[in-house]
Parts: sequence; structure tokens; C-alpha cells
Amino acid sequence: EDKVVQSPLSLVVHEGDTVTLNCSYEVTNFRSLLWYKQEKKAPTFLFMLTSSGIEKKSGRLSSILDKKELFSILNITATQTGDSAVYLCAVEAPRYGGTSYGKLTFGQGTILTVHP
Amino acid sequence: GAVVSQHPSRVICKSGTSVKIECRSLDFQATTMFWYRQFPKQSLMLMATSNEGSKATYEQGVEKDKFLINHASLTLSTLTVTSAHPEDSSFYICSAPRNLGAFFGQGTRLTVV
Repeated sequence: EDKVVQSPLSLVVHEGDTVTLNCSYEVTNFRSLLWYKQEKKAPTFLFMLTSSGIEKKSGRLSSILDKKELFSILNITATQTGDSAVYLCAVEAPRYGGTSYGKLTFGQGTILTVHP
Repeated sequence: GAVVSQHPSRVICKSGTSVKIECRSLDFQATTMFWYRQFPKQSLMLMATSNEGSKATYEQGVEKDKFLINHASLTLSTLTVTSAHPEDSSFYICSAPRNLGAFFGQGTRLTVV
């Protein structure tokens, strides 16, 4: 059974702090790892990672994947109150001979709270 | 703009009634769509895979007779929660595959009273 584990489950910081969110996985037939931000509605796409060691960056957010150690991290620098949300890690791992692309297994999520 | 449209965004229904949720792919065809459920303070759990032209594939523990899925066309999948009970109250969200990963609908918050 595919498994995705995120840590920590919750995190409380102050504005300006830097945070690192972790995601480890055990899946067969790995295709991609995705990070999403969720604020009381549908998840918003952040990053998609397919190759090891290549950092993806968008403003204050960055992410990297280690396919050997089976984990990814999401970094947020200079946090702002608007970063408060649930951050979800998901892995796409098609089954049944390569069908079911787009089927995602999600981690539990990390609840990030940023105080002013 | 949205590439997957889900409707309604919010619905309140009485126990025992049925509720239909629609998921449409906009400007592209989706032979496969996925339905997830999210309880408060929990992550998204895959319920079923909707397949155009064939039966849906349900994840373990999901009652297929309670959660009816119909993939009527290449752009529309529907999830019907039959004989809803308060414990079915949840956030339901659909997705369609993209090149890598998935496009998500806006989600439907179902409250059964």
C-alpha cells in the first residue's frame, strides 16, 4: 500500500521565521511528488517534482526531492501571516501497469500557523 | 481560470435524501476523474476512480451502492451520495489528470442535517 507521511503535523511560528516541512513516501511506481497549499477550500498547486536534487523555487517558497532517500522538503522563508494554511504533500504513483495517471496519495498535511 | 469545475460548492440536505455533485472538465477531455473526501482536520482520501464508459473503481472501505459514480461523457463525472446521513458530512473534491499530477475542482462542502 502506498504511504505518504508528513512532519511536523502542525507548526506555529512568527512572521519572518523560516520553516521546513517534510514529506517522506513509500510507493511503487513513483511518477511525481506534488505540494499543495489548502486554505478552507480546494488545494492550490505549489510545486511538482520528478527529478532528484533539482530545486524548484517560487518567491519565498522552494522545494526539493530526494528519490534515493524517498523524501521531499518544502521551505518557506520570511514567513507571512498569509502563509498560514495546511500544506499537503501528494505522490502520484500509477498502478496497474501504468494506468490511473493523476491518482494521488496524500500525506496528513502540516498545519502552519504564522503569528504577526 | 478553472480547468475543472465542480458544482455545487456547498449543499445542505436532510438525512435520507440524495445529493448529486457534478465535476466537469473545461476545454479538455477526461476519460478518468478522481473523487476524494476530506473530513475536518484530515487529509484528502481517495474514494474512487471514475472511468468514462465503464464502472468506477472504488477504494477499499468505500460503499459503491452509497456513493454512486457516473462518468456520463468525456467531460462530466457525477458523484451521488444516496440516503445521506450526518456522518457523510464532509468536503468532497474531484480531480482530473494533467500532464503530471492533477487539476482539482473547487470542492463541495456537504452538510447533512
